Amino acid sequence: AQKVTQAQTEISVVEKEDVTLDCVYETRDTTYYLFWYKQPPSGELVFLIRRNSFDEQNEISGRYSWNFQKSTSSFNFTITASQVVDSAVYFCALSATSGTYKYIFGTGTRLKVLA
Amino acid sequence: ETGVTQTPRHLVMGMTNKKSLKCEQHLGHNAMYWYKQSAKKPLELMFVYNFKEQTENNSVPSRFSPECPNSSHLFLHLHTLQPEDSALYLCASSQGQGPPYEQYFGPGTRLTVT
Repeated sequence: AQKVTQAQTEISVVEKEDVTLDCVYETRDTTYYLFWYKQPPSGELVFLIRRNSFDEQNEISGRYSWNFQKSTSSFNFTITASQVVDSAVYFCALSATSGTYKYIFGTGTRLKVLA
Repeated sequence: ETGVTQTPRHLVMGMTNKKSLKCEQHLGHNAMYWYKQSAKKPLELMFVYNFKEQTENNSVPSRFSPECPNSSHLFLHLHTLQPEDSALYLCASSQGQGPPYEQYFGPGTRLTVT
């Protein structure tokens, strides 16, 4: 079975603090893709990043960074020096290549950045 | 112009009404999706279309009826809904179905069934 767990339901931080959003996944597939999406109050999910299972290199994009560790089946997302505009719900998702098409989302983590 | 548009943004309907949700993508994608997002529940995939053909129906009740006349347009026809169907309905598209493609979402239709 495939599963994505985001154990943190809601996180509140003060502006300029760093924050890490956790994502743990389960899959038996050897080839799979992991994604992060941001859902601001306006409603639409915005694609942030995709990683494939063969590329464990961490990635940094501005204040965002992602730590992919196959050994712990985790794909965590860190926001450095958080800003109020980062307030949103963040979803981790898993898509695998075998069998019936599956695109599994986690339950999301609501991030509140306080001024 | 935004990539994926949805209309209406808000809809209130009675349990005996018939209404339709519309989604249009301007990204040249081949796959389109309907999702249901309820409070405190994971995003639920409802239907998937690839090149206008339905490829996934995730055990959705028949009171929801999708239609995909072409790769750019997707509809969700609603009839005799229940109050528990109240939710945010999101449409998405991707270049192709399945990995590695990311999905692009519309802003959603907030549906309230009274």
